[in-house]
Amino acid sequence: DTGVSQNPRHKITKRGQNVTFRCDPISEHNRLYWYRQTLGQGPEFLTYFQNEAQLEKSRLLSDRFSAERPKGSFSTLEIQRTEQGDSAMYLCASSLTGTGVGSPLHFGNGTRLTVT
Amino acid sequence: AQSVTQPDIHITVSEGASLELRCNYSYGATPYLFWYVQSPGQGLQLLLKYFSGDTLVQGIKGFEAEFKRSQSSFNLRKPSVHWSDAAEYFCAVGGGATNKLIFGTGTLLAVQP
Repeated sequence: DTGVSQNPRHKITKRGQNVTFRCDPISEHNRLYWYRQTLGQGPEFLTYFQNEAQLEKSRLLSDRFSAERPKGSFSTLEIQRTEQGDSAMYLCASSLTGTGVGSPLHFGNGTRLTVT
Repeated sequence: AQSVTQPDIHITVSEGASLELRCNYSYGATPYLFWYVQSPGQGLQLLLKYFSGDTLVQGIKGFEAEFKRSQSSFNLRKPSVHWSDAAEYFCAVGGGATNKLIFGTGTLLAVQP
């Protein structure tokens, strides 16, 4: 178990640029979640995948945001035309269904995005 | 609506003192409850979880939490705090088919020597 890996750890970009983050979940985990955390707040749910299927998207996920999980392994989160309000920590988590209800989420260390 | 309330934004305790962090939840069905800890610049680490059964659950690092359905609470406790416990603590509720977690706003714990 190597844990959930997120890259890059930090990203600074100028407003209007596109950015892409990557998440590698724990290898046998079939569910993958993206959360956003702003300063002083708890993580807020953005979207989740079961295998390669994106099953739910929060209304926080505007049309500038897109997430993919090709082949049900790693996932990418892309933000187009970034805005200063997108500055936040983006957290990825994974879990394994089938081991019992309420399987805990295992989080990565996040990608800190700063939009200047 | 599903929600989690952590009424204490910031708590300071002396090293060796006992600790209790409060968490109240609102959830339509049987809740699954979690406590996570986050050190600065890091992701979240699971401390403990409650699904069913014994309402007092033990976690890592000497933490425990008690589920009280009548009070819709899941408070986190530790009998003797260590300086390394200084971090932010998040309570979360989840369940259902998505297993999506809803987090509180967190409690920042400072430990005085």
